[in-house]
Amino acid sequence: QKEVEQDPGPLSVPEGAIVSLNCTYSNSAFQYFMWYRQYSRKGPELLMYTYSSGNKEDGRFTAQVDKSSKYISLFIRDSQPSDSATYLCAMTREGYQKVTFGIGTKLQVIP
Amino acid sequence: KAGVTQTPRYLIKTRGQQVTLSCSPISGHRSVSWYQQTPGQGLQFLFEYFSETQRNKGNFPGRFSGRQFSNSRSEMNVSTLELGDSALYLCASSQRDPGGTGELFFGEGSRLTVL
Repeated sequence: QKEVEQDPGPLSVPEGAIVSLNCTYSNSAFQYFMWYRQYSRKGPELLMYTYSSGNKEDGRFTAQVDKSSKYISLFIRDSQPSDSATYLCAMTREGYQKVTFGIGTKLQVIP
Repeated sequence: KAGVTQTPRYLIKTRGQQVTLSCSPISGHRSVSWYQQTPGQGLQFLFEYFSETQRNKGNFPGRFSGRQFSNSRSEMNVSTLELGDSALYLCASSQRDPGGTGELFFGEGSRLTVL
């Protein structure tokens, strides 16, 4: 069993829809949680960064962390065709160099 | 501020050959990590360097090696290439001091094809 589980999709939604992306994890030592976006033929870029449990909002994006359930989510409101990409969840421990990634969910927003 | 630069972007090798990939981190970043990305496994951690010292290594065979120079630039080497080494190799830099928090800034990757 992988440390981080993420549904690879693909997920196809109409423009304007609310998108929910999720990951579960097994290592209770994870303290830092991130979401990266990766466009085709590009490297991942950091979208959201959260420490421990709670919510964080940035424009149309909201990240949620529930450490008791070992579950993290990314919500995208008013999705746009430009949001079409692969979204990777990632997490790491305090003072630890290795970041563990989910496999990524491929999202397509249809105009 | 320039981002993470990886060279070459694309390369084709044959089985048994070796390859060296290069990474220039964001100016001021002292930590450089390498990841292998494949469709089936996603991003797999290879190793991380800080101030020319390897601090952590993933579960890859000894054919995969790396180093970091005094200017924080890093190289990774794969010897005796196998078909399964075909992947996107990503370099990421971070301002992380010992006790880091995981904010990685990635380059665009080097796509290696082994024939």
